[in-house]
Amino acid sequence: EDQVTQSPEALRLQEGESSSLNCSYTVSGLRGLFWYRQDPGKGPEFLFTLYSAGEEKEKERLKATLTKKESFLHITAPKPEDSATYLCAVQAPFNDYKLSFGAGTTVTVRA
Amino acid sequence: KAGVTQTPRYLIKTRGQQVTLSCSPISGHRSVSWYQQTPGQGLQFLFEYFSETQRNKGNFPGRFSGRQFSNSRSEMNVSTLELGDSALYLCASKEAPATNEKLFFGSGTQLSVL
Repeated sequence: EDQVTQSPEALRLQEGESSSLNCSYTVSGLRGLFWYRQDPGKGPEFLFTLYSAGEEKEKERLKATLTKKESFLHITAPKPEDSATYLCAVQAPFNDYKLSFGAGTTVTVRA
Repeated sequence: KAGVTQTPRYLIKTRGQQVTLSCSPISGHRSVSWYQQTPGQGLQFLFEYFSETQRNKGNFPGRFSGRQFSNSRSEMNVSTLELGDSALYLCASKEAPATNEKLFFGSGTQLSVL
């Protein structure tokens, strides 16, 4: 079964203090790796899709990268509004396109 | 374009009861997936529907069922509720199942079983 592990579970940052979140996965033939952001009481909101090792995507203060076994979500100079739970999910070719999610990393950014 | 709409937003039920949750996907989206989210287990896939047919199913007991209507709206039903069924139930849609497209999620239905 596909395994997705996110670390750390929780991250407390000072405003402006850059950091990285990790998502490691064990899946054969990755079809896509997805990053979502989830605010309390809301459904996950799509951030990025990565398809192949070496790929990078950026959006404002967020940058996602992908290797053969893990992905990183870098948060550069975070602001309090970046506080959320960040979820990673993988899609493998032989599981009929369903997504397997990690447990998430909860990021709190203090002003 | 309206997003994914889930109703009701909150539900409180007692053990043994049954519950039906509703999901209206984004217009034009024909694939609807359901996920259960709990603090301990995270997001777990329940099932996916496309063209009124269940395409895929997660590892949940038969008490969890769903259906999809011709207008792509979907419902999920949980019978004989247990305390452990307390969770946020999320619906997500996309245009078609066999793509790498991102899922669009609703805000969920928070179910509490007492």
